[in-house]
Amino acid sequence: DAKTTQPTSMDCAEGRAANLPCNHSTISGNEYVYWYRQIHSQGPQYIIHGLKNNETNEMASLIITEDRKSSTLILPHATLRDTAVYYCIVRVTGFQKLVFGTGTRLLVSP
Amino acid sequence: GAGVSQSPSNKVTEKGKDVELRCDPISGHTALYWYRQSLGQGLEFLIYFQGNSAPDKSGLPSDRFSAERTGGSVSTLTIQRTQQEDSAVYLCASRRGGVLNEKLFFGSGTQLSVL
Repeated sequence: DAKTTQPTSMDCAEGRAANLPCNHSTISGNEYVYWYRQIHSQGPQYIIHGLKNNETNEMASLIITEDRKSSTLILPHATLRDTAVYYCIVRVTGFQKLVFGTGTRLLVSP
Repeated sequence: GAGVSQSPSNKVTEKGKDVELRCDPISGHTALYWYRQSLGQGLEFLIYFQGNSAPDKSGLPSDRFSAERTGGSVSTLTIQRTQQEDSAVYLCASRRGGVLNEKLFFGSGTQLSVL
C-alpha cells in the first residue's frame, strides 16, 4: 500500500499562497491522490483529488509531478479560515477505504 | 438531511459500560465508513459498509467493537465493556458509492470519554 509523507506543520501569511507538499514515492499507476482538511472540532472535508494531470477547483489546485512520486496542494490566497490539518492520502489499491496519516498542520497568520 | 448526522455529539461513560454511537448518512449514499481519532492523532479506519456487501471490518481494534447498518442507511457502532483507551472522537462518513473516486462526506463526530 502506498504511504504518504508530509511535513508536520507549516506557516503561511494571510493572502499569500500556501504550498503543501506530499511525498508518495511508492504510489501505483492506478492510485489516486486525495487531499482532505480538518478544521478544529470538525470532521474532515474533501478538497481535491487527481491521478496524473494537475487539477483545480474552487478550493485549491493540485500539482502532481510527472513521475507521480510527489504532489503539492496550493491554496492560492490563504485566509485565516484555512488554518487546519491537511491530509494527503493515496487510495489503497483493491480497497475502498482511505487511510489517513497525521497530516500537515497549516497555520495562517494575519 | 443535508449532511452526515451523528449522535450523540458527546458521550461520557464509565469504564466497563457499553455504548452505542449512531450515524445517519446522506440520503442515497450507499457507502458508509467509521473512523476514530484520538487526541492529537490522525484518523484510524475502523469499518466500511458498501450496499449489501459484507463489511470491511479490518480496522476494528478488538472484538469489543462491532457495527451494523440497518436497511442500508443508519449505522450503529457499539463498543462493549468500554476502556479508557477507547476515549476518542468517532467519525462517520458516507459516499455515494459506485464510482470509486467520489469524495467522502464526514459528520462532526461523537466525542467519547470513558472515565
